[in-house]
Formats: sequence, C-alpha cells, structure tokens
Amino acid sequence: SQQGEEDPQALSIQEGENATMNCSYKTSINNLQWYRQNSGRGLVHLILIRSNEREKHSGRLRVTLDTSKKSSSLLITASRAADTASYFCASGNTPLVFGKGTRLSVIA
Amino acid sequence: DAGVIQSPRHEVTEMGQEVTLRCKPISGHDYLFWYRQTMMRGLELLIYFNNNVPIDDSGMPEDRFSAKMPNASFSTLKIQPSEPRDSAVYFCASSRGQASLNQPQHFGDGTRLSIL
Repeated sequence: SQQGEEDPQALSIQEGENATMNCSYKTSINNLQWYRQNSGRGLVHLILIRSNEREKHSGRLRVTLDTSKKSSSLLITASRAADTASYFCASGNTPLVFGKGTRLSVIA
Repeated sequence: DAGVIQSPRHEVTEMGQEVTLRCKPISGHDYLFWYRQTMMRGLELLIYFNNNVPIDDSGMPEDRFSAKMPNASFSTLKIQPSEPRDSAVYFCASSRGQASLNQPQHFGDGTRLSIL
C-alpha cells in the first residue's frame, strides 16, 4: 500500500507546547507530503519534503524524513488554538493515499 | 486564484434518489481526484482522471457510482440509486502534474451527503 499511516491517532496539548506527529509508509517515494484538515473543510497542503532531504522548515513547522526507516515526523512548535485540526501524511505517488490522520487538539 | 469548487456543499435526500455531485478544478490542473471521507474508513480514493480520462476507478464502491469529466473544467460524481451507507463527505481535488513530481493536491471543501 502507498498509504501513509499517522501516529498517534489523537493528541491533546496546551497552547504554547510543541506537537509531534509521526508518519510511516511502505513504498519507495519521491517525496512525502503533509496536509491539514480543519473541521468541515477540505485538506490543505502544508509542506512537501523530497526523498533527498532530511529536514525542512516552514514557519512553525518542521518536517523530518528518514527513508531508511520509511518514516517522517511533523513538529509544530509553539502551538496555538488555531492549530487544532487533523493532520495527514501521504507518500508522493499519484494518486495520494491518506491514512486516518492525527487529530490534534490545542487547548487555550 | 479560485480554488477547487464543489457543489452542493450539503445534500440531504431519500434513499433511492439519484445524487449528482459537481466539481470545478483549478484552471490548468490536469489531474482530478474524487475521495470519500467517513469516520470508519477515513479518506478513500474513489477515482481519478488525467487530462479528462479516467485512469483508475478501482475505488468506486459499486456500479451505482459513476464519474465523468466531460471537459477540463468540470467533473461529476453520480450515485444512482443512493443508499444510506453512501452518507459521507465527498471531496474533489486537483493537481498540476503528478505527486511524484512534487506537485501537491488542492482540495475543495467537500459535499456533505446524507441519505435518509
């Protein structure tokens, strides 16, 4: 399966704390993509990391990729209540296949 | 740029009725995807098109489901006859090129379908 599998299923933290979500995949990839879904909305692309990259930053987001372990992590630093959402990863093959995501709750 | 536009946003109908969901992809995008999201099964890919041609419809659950893309700016997903188990949120997404070429997918805000 090309599906990304996110872990944990749910995560609850206080505002200001860091949130870390993990993703595992099974096939070789050209890239790995992370998406966010707010309640009642579609998925929004957050960040893409290529297979030859190990780490990538975008604002408060930090993504790592370990192709030897077929895993990736998404770190959100200094979380805010507005970060409350579900987060999905997908290995970069067409079509993208998503896992069930990590539901992040940031409590003010 | 306008994003992916889906209509209607909500649909409530009785079982047995025909349901048609509509999608307008982002202009210039050559891939279009239909997904279905439920709590139990998560986000499932139903079918996707490249240059208006269906490439993989193995995710379409039954013959009751059909999808068309008559031109580059419009696609429909039809369910006939509808059943209560079809209740879900249906998403359309589009992309310019393949994910393997580092292209992200852009999603609409979905159609929430309830079959009574």
